Amino acid sequence: EIVMTQSPATLSVSPGERATLSCRASQSVSRNLAWYQQKPGQAPRLLMYGASIRATGIPARFSGSGSGTEFTLTISSLQSEDFAFYYCQQYNEWPPTWTFGQGTKVEIK
Amino acid sequence: QVQLQESGPGLAKPSETLSLTCAVSGASISSTSHKWGWVRQPPGKGLEWIGTFYYSGGTYYNPSLKSRVTISEDTSKNQFSLRLSSVTAADTAVYYCARLGQFDPNVFDYWGQGTLVTVSS
Repeated sequence: EIVMTQSPATLSVSPGERATLSCRASQSVSRNLAWYQQKPGQAPRLLMYGASIRATGIPARFSGSGSGTEFTLTISSLQSEDFAFYYCQQYNEWPPTWTFGQGTKVEIK
Repeated sequence: QVQLQESGPGLAKPSETLSLTCAVSGASISSTSHKWGWVRQPPGKGLEWIGTFYYSGGTYYNPSLKSRVTISEDTSKNQFSLRLSSVTAADTAVYYCARLGQFDPNVFDYWGQGTLVTVSS
């Protein structure tokens, strides 16, 4: 079973600053890695897939990088609407399984 | 516009079976272009994948839940369902249904709003 570990659990950032979130896989997932944003009371929203491809409508201040076991989501200049929880998710080829990280909360400093 | 809507009882008793349905509009669950799945989120906790199916392609479950979970589909109603047996308080969660495949075959691109199921006597 592939385990996804996100760090830090909480990230305190001032508006306009840069935020860097990490996600580590217990074994290689190639680039089968997605990122989601979730605000309280809402369903998750897809931000990135294929480790570095922004989903439709996602602002360019969001970027993703990494492959294998180490991945990063960067928000270049935090806006008020970016304060939320962020989850990474991997897909394993066989047997097909999907695993989420435990999440990172990005809060206002 | 793709929409998914979960429905079902908001309360289940311990040891009983939880049953939820996801009604889909704007897309067909019998399309081979997409997969469909269930994800849950206990209060104040993270996301947990429950299972995924694709029409004519099989159904796959989280190994930790596999013995208790069944996902089935009703193409005549364009909906799919989740059954989770022998529930305990640990199964209390918001349950989401979701679609995979718009951008990548294995990422969740459209989500329902979620429905809270509480397991309590």
